[in-house]
Amino acid sequence: EPEVTQTPSHQVTQMGQEVILRCVPISNHLYFYWYRQILGQKVEFLVSFYNNEISEKSEIFDDQFSVERPDGSNFTLKIRSTKLEDSAMYFCASRFDSGANVLTFGAGSRLTVL
Amino acid sequence: QKEVEQNSGPLSVPEGAIASLNCTYSDRGSQSFFWYRQYSGKSPELIMFIYSNGDKEDGRFTAQLNKASQYVSLLIRDSQPSDSATYLCAVRLGFEYNKLIFGAGTRLAVHP
Repeated sequence: EPEVTQTPSHQVTQMGQEVILRCVPISNHLYFYWYRQILGQKVEFLVSFYNNEISEKSEIFDDQFSVERPDGSNFTLKIRSTKLEDSAMYFCASRFDSGANVLTFGAGSRLTVL
Repeated sequence: QKEVEQNSGPLSVPEGAIASLNCTYSDRGSQSFFWYRQYSGKSPELIMFIYSNGDKEDGRFTAQLNKASQYVSLLIRDSQPSDSATYLCAVRLGFEYNKLIFGAGTRLAVHP
């Protein structure tokens, strides 16, 4: 069964460092998403991406965050200068263009900021 | 602020019983509704979705939607210990929106 692949599974970084989280969405999917989940809290929307541009973003997704689809397969989330409160599980998700708005999630990347 | 509310639980049911999970949402224009299951430390996985008022059944799972009451529920029949997880209700606000808004989830514990 097709799946969304995320790397790394766990990253530990120092506060102020840049982090790039990578995702390979399902190949025929056209919408891509990043969500995050702080430990013990709800899954929160960060950003959606379609047709090579951001289609929607939340108030969490400030200037410290950026997304990119550098080639035909990868979808990345960059955090420029990490803060302690960025520690969370980051989930990439993708969906097909039409029909049900069913998101398929990757296994997640756990980010720990020290 | 568009909200999706769930009772955090835990909801404890004996094996073989029916588990009933509830969710309310604040935006009356919400169009589609999803139930995801999340095991501890894992990503959400889709159980089922529903668009229309009424019931939708898939195996042991039944989703129920009442748009007038802004209420969606999930019934799990013949609950198994492997069903023990957090169940997330997610809502798509309208067709012009891409994102899903998630509730905080209800933790279900099925005991033998």
